[in-house]
Amino acid sequence: GENVEQHPSTLSVQEGDSAVIKCTYSDSASNYFPWYKQELGKGPQLIIDIRSNVGEKKDQRIAVTLNKTAKHFSLHITETQPEDSAVYFCAASIRGYSTLTFGKGTMLLVSP
Amino acid sequence: EAQVTQNPRYLITVTGKKLTVTCSQNMNHEYMSWYRQDPGLGLRQIYYSMNVEVTDKGDVPEGYKVSRKEKRNFPLILESPSPNQTSLYFCASSKAGEAEAFFGQGTRLTVV
Repeated sequence: GENVEQHPSTLSVQEGDSAVIKCTYSDSASNYFPWYKQELGKGPQLIIDIRSNVGEKKDQRIAVTLNKTAKHFSLHITETQPEDSAVYFCAASIRGYSTLTFGKGTMLLVSP
Repeated sequence: EAQVTQNPRYLITVTGKKLTVTCSQNMNHEYMSWYRQDPGLGLRQIYYSMNVEVTDKGDVPEGYKVSRKEKRNFPLILESPSPNQTSLYFCASSKAGEAEAFFGQGTRLTVV
């Protein structure tokens, strides 16, 4: 089955800096890669996703890049703000099969 | 409001006492699943259901049961809870063929 590795497990940055979280996956058939943000006491919420026919996707301060050859994808957050502090999960799935395999998560701390 | 609702949010129980965590979604999604979240292990899938009366094991199904008698409900049953089932549980739903998952708020279960 699919295996998703996520690094780093914790990431501390100063407000205004950029943050990068990286994930690798094992199943070359995976073609959908979402990122979820989990705030304290809440369930994970989708923040951005990318499909295998696209190399990069941006949404305001967040972007995701995908390298299918190397089987890795990354989340980039620019101009970080304290409210970006949360746990971020990457995931991989074969679209249409509705099964997500998650990475272990990254706790992002943004200091004012 | 589109949502996935879990109950209860918090539960403390004793070893061996059967319990049920309910999950309901109002988005007419075909696909529902249960995850457990443990520190350092991320989100691991327990069971999933592709539609009414169709369920299958995820990565960590031991000690759990599920049923899907109605499209909107997907309860998680612990017939004889043990302390190693102390965890944070999430229910999620998604539309058939779409991998985007919508999560509930979580149920924190403690088994003593």
